[in-house]
Amino acid sequence: EPEVTQTPSHQVTQMGQEVILRCVPISNHLYFYWYRQILGQKVEFLVSFYNNEISEKSEIFDDQFSVERPDGSNFTLKIRSTKLEDSAMYFCASSDREGTDTQYFGPGTRLTVL
Amino acid sequence: GNSVTQMEGPVTLSEEAFLTINCTYTATGYPSLFWYVQYPGEGLQLLLKATKADDKGSNKGFEATYRKETTSFHLEKGSVQVSDSAVYFCALTHTGRRALTFGSGTRLQVQP
Repeated sequence: EPEVTQTPSHQVTQMGQEVILRCVPISNHLYFYWYRQILGQKVEFLVSFYNNEISEKSEIFDDQFSVERPDGSNFTLKIRSTKLEDSAMYFCASSDREGTDTQYFGPGTRLTVL
Repeated sequence: GNSVTQMEGPVTLSEEAFLTINCTYTATGYPSLFWYVQYPGEGLQLLLKATKADDKGSNKGFEATYRKETTSFHLEKGSVQVSDSAVYFCALTHTGRRALTFGSGTRLQVQP
């Protein structure tokens, strides 16, 4: 069964450093998403991406964040200058062309900012 | 704004017990409603969904009915198994949008 994959599973970085989180969505999907979950808190929507542009974003997704689909398979989330409060589990998701609202999630990347 | 409220966990049950996890929502328009499950060490998996009032979603013995009059989408299962131990998230999408709004999650522990 096709699945969303994410790398790395755990990323440790120093405050102020740039990080790139990588995702490979399901191959025939056209809509891509990033969510995050700070430890002990709710899963929060960050951004959705369709047709090579951002279609929705939350207030969390400020100028420090960017997303990109650099090729036909990868979808990345970049945090330009990490803060302590960026420490969280980051989930990538994708959904298909029919827009059935079913989003398929990856296993997540745990980001730890020291 | 739109929000989802779930019962606090953890919920601890014995195998074959009846499960209810309460979920209520606040939303404008006609949201779609979802239950996602997260097993240890894994990502979120869609368990079931309902897209309009009175729809019942079901999967793997779990059920939930979209109740617009009570703005609820409670998850039920008649007989839980140890393998059902996981965190369960209730979620909605706003009318015309794709972003999921999640509840805080409810951890279920099933003991043999």
